[in-house]
Amino acid sequence: EVQLVETGGGLVQPGKSLKLTCATSGFTFSTAWMHWVRQSPDKRLEWIARIKDKSNNYATDYVESVKGRFTISRDDSKSSVYLQMNSLKEEDTATYYCTTWTRWGQGVMVTVSS
Amino acid sequence: DVVLTQTPPTLSATIGQSVSISCRSSQSLLHSNGNTYLNWLLQRPGQPPQLLIYLVSRLESGVPNRFSGSGSGTDFTLKISGVEAEDLGVYYCVQSTHAPYTFGAGTKLELK
Repeated sequence: EVQLVETGGGLVQPGKSLKLTCATSGFTFSTAWMHWVRQSPDKRLEWIARIKDKSNNYATDYVESVKGRFTISRDDSKSSVYLQMNSLKEEDTATYYCTTWTRWGQGVMVTVSS
Repeated sequence: DVVLTQTPPTLSATIGQSVSISCRSSQSLLHSNGNTYLNWLLQRPGQPPQLLIYLVSRLESGVPNRFSGSGSGTDFTLKISGVEAEDLGVYYCVQSTHAPYTFGAGTKLELK
């Protein structure tokens, strides 16, 4: 069974950091391109970041609003993808999903508030 | 960035009715490799999105064949031929041809 499980969310103050983890199983993680997508409280979906596989040099890409603050990474030995989020802003408040487009996790909530 | 305009924002349907959702792109979604990376997702209440259609018209495994996708370039359509109760939710188009990848604003399918 394919599973993607996000952890690491919670309530954090503006300017602080948080690291999300997406642990996967049930598919060949090492060749999958992994994405983080977030859904704001008004239900809009926003693609945040993508990391390609080893054969594509683990190339990364980001939406402009998180460039320089968020970092996507992966550990193929653990079938996991990560999102390091620094300098968090209130507008980063959302449910964060990891996904391959075909497969989605259940999401993890991140609330940025003082 | 590519802007995807979905219409209508809300769709009211009866069970068995056929409906269509439009997704128009601000620029062509034809990739240099010849593929068009336009997907359709359904998000049921309280659930994560799920993939219905990829590469414009290819049905994801396990998705009922009452769903179909069509289009090219900048103009795409999702059709549901005979709405069933389990189809209710919000439909999104998403493009992954041009980074940053972008979503439409969604179309909420409700029962009339």
